[in-house]
Amino acid sequence: AQKVTQAQTEISVVEKEDVTLDCVYETRDTTYYLFWYKQPPSGELVFLIRRNSFDEQNEISGRYSWNFQKSTSSFNFTITASQVVDSAVYFCALSEDGGAQKLVFGQGTRLTINP
Amino acid sequence: DTEVTQTPKHLVMGMTNKKSLKCEQHMGHRAMYWYKQKAKKPPELMFVYSYEKLSINESVPSRFSPECPNSSLLNLHLHALQPEDSALYLCASSQDLWESTDTQYFGPGTRLTVL
Repeated sequence: AQKVTQAQTEISVVEKEDVTLDCVYETRDTTYYLFWYKQPPSGELVFLIRRNSFDEQNEISGRYSWNFQKSTSSFNFTITASQVVDSAVYFCALSEDGGAQKLVFGQGTRLTINP
Repeated sequence: DTEVTQTPKHLVMGMTNKKSLKCEQHMGHRAMYWYKQKAKKPPELMFVYSYEKLSINESVPSRFSPECPNSSLLNLHLHALQPEDSALYLCASSQDLWESTDTQYFGPGTRLTVL
């Protein structure tokens, strides 16, 4: 069975600090897809990244970076030099190959960036 | 353009009312989804339409009735709801339900309160 664990329920940091959000997943499939979504207070889930299981390259997009490690079944998300606008709930999600695309979400991490 | 729109933004209804939520996308996506999200929880899948046909119903009570009039529109008809149905209702779309490499894009949601 698939499962996504985001052990950090809430994180609070001061602006300009770096912060890492952890995501650990479980799946029996060899091909799967990992996602991060951001949900600001307005409610919309904003897509941030999709990573395929066979592509372990880390990715950087501006102040955001993602570290995918199959050996530890982790897909962690780091925000460098955090800003108040980064305050949101962040969800990590997993979908498996084949069949209908169903997202399995983690419980989410509420990130608060204090000025 | 990855925009999914939802109306209304907020809805308050009594338990005897009938109301509808509306979702629209113009990205040419052929899969559309309804999710329910309670406070401090991840989204839960309710229904999925693929090529305007209902493909997935996650055992949702019949007081929720989905409808897909065309490939761009998705409605959720509400009738005789209970106070515990109060939640954020999110719509999403993706290119193809059966394409594993696909990404779901979410709308801003309708915040529903049932009195």
